[in-house]
Amino acid sequence: LAKTTQPISMDSYEGQEVNITCSHNNIATNDYITWYQQFPSQGPRFIIQGYKTKVTNEVASLFIPADRKSSTLSLPRVSLSDTAVYYCLVGDIGPARQLTFGSGTQLTVLP
Amino acid sequence: GAVVSQHPSWVICKSGTSVKIECRSLDFQATTMFWYRQFPKQSLMLMATSNEGSKATYEQGVEKDKFLINHASLTLSTLTVTSAHPEDSSFYICSAVDRVAQNTGELFFGEGSRLTVL
Repeated sequence: LAKTTQPISMDSYEGQEVNITCSHNNIATNDYITWYQQFPSQGPRFIIQGYKTKVTNEVASLFIPADRKSSTLSLPRVSLSDTAVYYCLVGDIGPARQLTFGSGTQLTVLP
Repeated sequence: GAVVSQHPSWVICKSGTSVKIECRSLDFQATTMFWYRQFPKQSLMLMATSNEGSKATYEQGVEKDKFLINHASLTLSTLTVTSAHPEDSSFYICSAVDRVAQNTGELFFGEGSRLTVL
């Protein structure tokens, strides 16, 4: 399973764009990159998933360079409610997949 | 979206007793469910993988006789913490793979169950 490295914490202000980068140097060919958000005392919630280039949905964008050794989660115009821990996970997406959670990034949005 | 429900959401028990936590997929069938444990300020740690109709696969260091997992149907998996001790106090989270959409990559997580052992 590919190991991931993320910053432990980040601070931002309301209305700013936040970019959280994750390193995964030993990502395998079949691996996808998935980001989850977790609020205190809740289960993680799926944000976005990608394999290469750029993926965008209604809440975030995911940028993946050609070598796929890193990825960047971009949250546009964050609000206080975006304060949470963000996890980057790397692994294949077949039915037998096991996802290993790294340390995650604690994002704190300040007023 | 797909919903995974855990029950109870929190439980307090005395040391030495057993506690059962249920994980249900409410609007989909789950061939595979995962059980995680999370201590305060730490990340999720995978405990075991549960497949419907077969024995669970436990991660290294997780005692299968202490953490009994049953996945008797496509919508229900249970985790029983036997002879619980204060060090078992933790936040237990399950996740499920939708049998129909099992290759989409998205895992659906329950709300978590907080166990406190006195």
